[in-house]
Amino acid sequence: QKEVEQDPGPLSVPEGAIVSLNCTYSNSAFQYFMWYRQYSRKGPELLMYTYSSGNKEDGRFTAQVDKSSKYISLFIRDSQPSDSATYLCAMSPSSGGYNKLIFGAGTRLAVHP
Amino acid sequence: DTEVTQTPKHLVMGMTNKKSLKCEQHMGHRAMYWYKQKAKKPPELMFVYSYEKLSINESVPSRFSPECPNSSLLNLHLHALQPEDSALYLCASSQRTGGQGDTQYFGPGTRLTVL
Repeated sequence: QKEVEQDPGPLSVPEGAIVSLNCTYSNSAFQYFMWYRQYSRKGPELLMYTYSSGNKEDGRFTAQVDKSSKYISLFIRDSQPSDSATYLCAMSPSSGGYNKLIFGAGTRLAVHP
Repeated sequence: DTEVTQTPKHLVMGMTNKKSLKCEQHMGHRAMYWYKQKAKKPPELMFVYSYEKLSINESVPSRFSPECPNSSLLNLHLHALQPEDSALYLCASSQRTGGQGDTQYFGPGTRLTVL
């Protein structure tokens, strides 16, 4: 079993839809959770960063963490064609000599006009 | 400013060539990372430098040789690569290594093709 599971998609939605992207994980030591957006042939761009459980909102993006279920989500409201990209979840533990990011496989999202 | 720059953007090399990838950040970050990313896969960690010293080598073949000349620069020297080494090479940096959820910021990557 992988430490982080993420459905690779592809996920295709119409413009204006609410998009839900999810990851599950098995390591209860994970405390820091990130979402990166990666356009084709570009580097990952940090979108959201959350610590422990709860919600965080930034514009059209909302990140949710449910540590009891070991489940994290990214919601995109009013999705736009420019949101078409691969979304990678990443997480790391709260202790240890090195901040190693564990990535999900990435979900490819296509928003069509 | 959360910018990490990488040069070159694209690189094509033969298996007998020697080339170098460069990465630069001016955010005062003290940790820098090299990742390798194959198509439709997540980034895979290769090396970590902390305060200009190599702290992690994820069992990377010796044909990849990292170097950190100063706190802002990170190089990856390439020699005798194989075609399967063709990938997007990403550099990242973070304020510090060790717990505390240190956020990593990625550069745009160098797309490497080995012929």
